[in-house]
Amino acid sequence: DTAVSQTPKYLVTQMGNDKSIKCEQNLGHDTMYWYKQDSKKFLKIMFSYNNKELIINETVPNRFSPKSPDKAHLNLHINSLELGDSAVYFCASSAPVGGGGYTFGSGTRLTVV
Amino acid sequence: AQKITQTQPGMFVQEKEAVTLDCTYDTSDPSYGLFWYKQPSSGEMIFLIYQGSYDQQNATEGRYSLNFQKARKSANLVISASQLGDSAMYFCAMRDPGANSKLTFGKGITLSVRP
Repeated sequence: DTAVSQTPKYLVTQMGNDKSIKCEQNLGHDTMYWYKQDSKKFLKIMFSYNNKELIINETVPNRFSPKSPDKAHLNLHINSLELGDSAVYFCASSAPVGGGGYTFGSGTRLTVV
Repeated sequence: AQKITQTQPGMFVQEKEAVTLDCTYDTSDPSYGLFWYKQPSSGEMIFLIYQGSYDQQNATEGRYSLNFQKARKSANLVISASQLGDSAMYFCAMRDPGANSKLTFGKGITLSVRP
């Protein structure tokens, strides 16, 4: 069983389209995150939810809207996609404290053409 | 604000030798956690090792050890007996204090292991 699973793994779409990425974790963690990894491999936090409540919302265009229907799921919807949105998006979840309780999904490579 | 610095350019190491990947951090909080992740060419983020700011001993996990120098604010990753499969990008990260906190990442270091 995959601990943090994201779908799809690859997403190629045209500018202006709307797309969603789904994430699910079966670790029982309360907190989930979306990170963006740009073309230079830099990883930056976008959003964080704790038990369905938004707790971190970094400076992200409002075309990006996260949704957490329950604490095991965190989806990312992107409206009006732009070329600059091309990146790898990682979902992650964490336990409240300590080390190993921070787990990443395998990533979604989004390419906007 | 938390900051992680990884300044080494691409690193090369001979198979079976040890290598140290540097990481320095900046924080004003006394409580924090430091992580290293490996990202192979396949793209997934693999957790390697964790060090808490109050841990008395340096963390070790198999061939990975963390050289934690609190006064110097450094948390270098040491990989012993390098293997070809260690070729990857390595990220140092810091967890903000408090529960349910995000990770702040360094820009990463590319390691290439030569046969």
